Order: sequence, then C-alpha cells, then structure tokens
Amino acid sequence: ETGVTQSPTHLIKTRGQQVTLRCSSQSGHNTVSWYQQALGQGPQFIFQYYREEENGRGNFPPRFSGLQFPNYSSELNVNALELDDSALYLCASSLVDMGYGYTFGSGTRLTVV
Amino acid sequence: DQQVKQNSPSLSVQEGRISILNCDYTNSMFDYFLWYKKYPAEGPTFLISISSIKDKNEDGRFTVFLNKSAKHLSLHIVPSQPGDSAVYFCAASANAGNMLTFGGGTRLMVKP
Repeated sequence: ETGVTQSPTHLIKTRGQQVTLRCSSQSGHNTVSWYQQALGQGPQFIFQYYREEENGRGNFPPRFSGLQFPNYSSELNVNALELDDSALYLCASSLVDMGYGYTFGSGTRLTVV
Repeated sequence: DQQVKQNSPSLSVQEGRISILNCDYTNSMFDYFLWYKKYPAEGPTFLISISSIKDKNEDGRFTVFLNKSAKHLSLHIVPSQPGDSAVYFCAASANAGNMLTFGGGTRLMVKP
C-alpha cells in the first residue's frame, strides 16, 4: 500500500505570490488534513477535508484554502504569501472512522523570500 | 497561548537506559493524547496513544502515562535504542474532534 506523497518537496516563492501544494492520500483513506510546522515548533492544524468539503479549520486566515478531489487527493493554496508562511507543510490522510490514525507525508518545505 | 507544552527541547540518554519524555497541557477539554516520532526529512509517525479514561497504555518498549489532575503525560521508552533518536511530539484532541494540537517537540538522542 502506498503512503502519503506530497509535491513538491521544496519550493521558494516571493512575498505576495501564490502557491499550490499537492498531496496524494494513502490508498483507501477518505480524509485529508493539512498542518503547518514552523522551524523549531510543532505542527499546527490548518484544516481538514472530508468528502470534498472543509470539515474543520484551525486559526489560519482565509488566504489559506484547500481542495479535495474525488480521488481523495488534495491541494493547499496560499495567496498573498508572507515571510512568516515559510514552514514545512504536512499533509495527513486517514479514514474518517479510524479516529486519529493519521498517516503523514514527508512535507513540502516552503521558503518565502 | 500554547495549550500543549513540551518543556524539554532535548534529552540525551545512554543506550539501554530509560528515556522519559514529558508533556503538559492546559485545555481541560482534551480527552485523547498521542505521541508521534519524527525523523529528519520524514513526516511524523504515530507511536502510541491514550484516552482520558485510562492512566496508562503500553505497547512493547513504549508506555504512556496520563495524570489528568496534573494535566501531564509522559512517554517512557525502555530500553532505549540508538534508532529511537528522533524528535518526539506530544499531541492532544478534544471531544473526538478532527484537530490535533501539538507540543513543540523534544529531540531525543540515544548514545550507543
């Protein structure tokens, strides 16, 4: 069974630009969550998608948005990038009835300059 | 306001000895707690969890203890092995919600 894959692995963007990060869920998983991990800190919950709809959101502004596709893959979009958006972005997939059985991807390292 | 705190950024232990990683929380609504391990360039991997109705959960070399009155949990690794060297995150959730709140992590180094 394949795990969670994220692309790209590294990305450099300029302040004010927009970025799209991608995630392929583990086979059989129908729920995807996104987390932001700043340097030296723990991951922070951005939002979760289930059945292509947002199913919970953390304390992030609306310029952070997402999509989940029928094949359960997902995108995280960030508009108007700020320097503080520089972080590791982690995608985690799960089955909705598996509780907290998340499988995390290796993440995308975003640097905003 | 950090609701989950890991006050020790790093811990060094000799191989074969016990590693004890600590975590404190402030939100009384948290009812499920998890530990994740993270190697460099990899995502966090689930290690062990505990529900608030229990005070101990054991899985092989790993045991998690929960003290609800003190709002404190700890992860014990016995015996510690060099392969256990990683960053360990404590995480918590409230009311079977879908959001995990993580601590800042503790870097464990197990010396051969």
